[in-house]
Amino acid sequence: DIQMTQSPSSLSASVGDRVTITCRASQSISSYLNWYQQKPGKAPKLLIFAASGLQSGVPSRFSGSGSGTDFTLTISSLQPEDFATYYCQQSYSNPLTFGGGTKVEIK
Amino acid sequence: QVHLVQSGAEVKKPGASVKVSCKASGYTFTIYHMHWVRQAPGQGPEWMAIINPSGGSTSYAQKFQGRVTMTRDTSTNTVYMELSSLRSEDTAVYYCAREGDSSSTLDYWGQGTLVTVSS
Repeated sequence: DIQMTQSPSSLSASVGDRVTITCRASQSISSYLNWYQQKPGKAPKLLIFAASGLQSGVPSRFSGSGSGTDFTLTISSLQPEDFATYYCQQSYSNPLTFGGGTKVEIK
Repeated sequence: QVHLVQSGAEVKKPGASVKVSCKASGYTFTIYHMHWVRQAPGQGPEWMAIINPSGGSTSYAQKFQGRVTMTRDTSTNTVYMELSSLRSEDTAVYYCAREGDSSSTLDYWGQGTLVTVSS
């Protein structure tokens, strides 16, 4: 199975900050990498697909980059509604696997 | 608009089975694959299984092989996930999620079904 490692596991930031979350795969997954946002008690929500594609309806302050084994999710200017947990997920091969999550908290 | 509506919470004893349903609407059911993903309390999501609603073919995570069965009913646009031989570690929220146009990208999710396994 492909292991997905996210860092950091949590971070504190203020509204307006630029936030970067990284995800590393245990082997090359090309651009088969997706990012999700999850709020407490809710299902994950797709933000970014295929490493850099912005899902319809997702604000443009979210962006993704990377290929191979190293990927990044960036929030250019953190908004109050962005405080949540973020997960990466590889879609290169079954079983699909997720990172351990990054919790973004209010500073 | 796409909607995935799951059945309600369940409480089961160890050794029992549970069957969770997911009713899809707002799109052509047989075109998009459906996945099941679970999330234990305080943990990240864990992929379990996929079904092709058109032909009914399935693929399961090795961890759940022999315990999980995924089926579908094209007359009601519903997929089902049955997990047997339940143990306390199976306590989790179970989600169905549609695979979007980008391979193995989960673009729509159900609301989740809490399954609690307790004696």
